[in-house]
Amino acid sequence: AQKITQTQPGMFVQEKEAVTLDCTYDTSDPSYGLFWYKQPSSGEMIFLIYQGSYDQQNATEGRYSLNFQKARKSANLVISASQLGDSAMYFCAMREGDAGGTSYGKLTFGQGTILTVHP
Amino acid sequence: AAGVIQSPRHLIKEKRETATLKCYPIPRHDTVYWYQQGPGQDPQFLISFYEKMQSDKGSIPDRFSAQQFSDYHSELNMSSLELGDSALYFCASSLYNEQFFGPGTRLTVL
Repeated sequence: AQKITQTQPGMFVQEKEAVTLDCTYDTSDPSYGLFWYKQPSSGEMIFLIYQGSYDQQNATEGRYSLNFQKARKSANLVISASQLGDSAMYFCAMREGDAGGTSYGKLTFGQGTILTVHP
Repeated sequence: AAGVIQSPRHLIKEKRETATLKCYPIPRHDTVYWYQQGPGQDPQFLISFYEKMQSDKGSIPDRFSAQQFSDYHSELNMSSLELGDSALYFCASSLYNEQFFGPGTRLTVL
């Protein structure tokens, strides 16, 4: 079974508008972490934001925020005030067995969503 | 801020040759991971090291091996290369929650 599902193969947004990229996950582990990465056409994987399963508040990093709905097992990425440079592939990922603090473990990725920002 | 360093950035090999990819984690990071990303695919976990000991293993072929050295840099050794090994290979490192990726090594097997 797919552990991370990104149902939007592609998304389009007008410059300066907000966009939400969907991510749902499946785990029976009570401790886990959720990540979002940006991969531009140049290929590098850029860390955007992290949310721990026990975090009470939604994570925010500048224009990025994570809409964490634990009961629905969703971790959608919201990008506010889109810029042309936001055009890229976006991956949602999960790490199971997060205990908070010093944590290590492999990431399982979703299939990705290609975001295109129009001027 | 220092980032994860990978070398080489590009590598072209013939079938059945060997390749060695190097990774230098962010200073003080205690865990190193290797991922393989095929064309149009999401990254797949290969292997990880915590404090120089193998901590987890994914779908890494037996032809591949890896190790982490005393200075914390890691090397991924790939032998008997096949066409299907052509991919982007990422190294990542972590200390706390975030996992930071290097720029990747693009391996092309001809």
